[in-house]
Amino acid sequence: GAVVSQHPSRVICKSGTSVKIECRSLDFQATTMFWYRQFPKKSLMLMATSNEGSKATYEQGVEKDKFLINHASLTLSTLTVTSAHPEDSSFYICSARETGPISTDTQYFGPGTRLTVL
Amino acid sequence: GEDVEQSLFLSVREGDSSVINCTYTDSSSTYLYWYKQEPGAGLQLLTYIFSNMDMKQDQRLTVLLNKKDKHLSLRIADTQTGDSAIYFCAESPTRQLTFGSGTQLTVLP
Repeated sequence: GAVVSQHPSRVICKSGTSVKIECRSLDFQATTMFWYRQFPKKSLMLMATSNEGSKATYEQGVEKDKFLINHASLTLSTLTVTSAHPEDSSFYICSARETGPISTDTQYFGPGTRLTVL
Repeated sequence: GEDVEQSLFLSVREGDSSVINCTYTDSSSTYLYWYKQEPGAGLQLLTYIFSNMDMKQDQRLTVLLNKKDKHLSLRIADTQTGDSAIYFCAESPTRQLTFGSGTQLTVLP
């Protein structure tokens, strides 16, 4: 089956620093990847849609200068949380949508990254 | 997930069947999905159903779709303790997923 990895799985950083999270599709190509944020006991909130070779599309209320997304290849997207603050602490999950003529628009999810900002 | 609604909690006894229900609003979704999330983990795709199907069965999982009522359900037969997790239904009217709030399934011994 399609596998998506995320790295790191857990990160603790000091307030004001930047953190980069990687999302990789391991056995398929993904033109489109998605970044979600999940608060405790809540559903997933879509932050942005990442398209290979072009700028990401951000959802309303998500600061694009704070959450930098780069999708440089068909298997890798990165999310950088810049100048992180404690309120950015959350569980960040990426997903990748398989590219191809028989695509069912299914998104395959990474295992998530737990970010804690002190 | 304001367009997709689920009940928040469900408890069943081990060995019984679980039925998790979901209602959605956008009838243009080509596919509807069920995902499972275990504590501290990402989402695992359980199954999906094409919108012109009424039912799909995959081992212990049965998905029922009522397009007229915009109602989707997931039945888990012979529920085991390992099935304890949060279950999300999702629709994709715009090729992005819209998730329900998730149903916390607790399996009691």
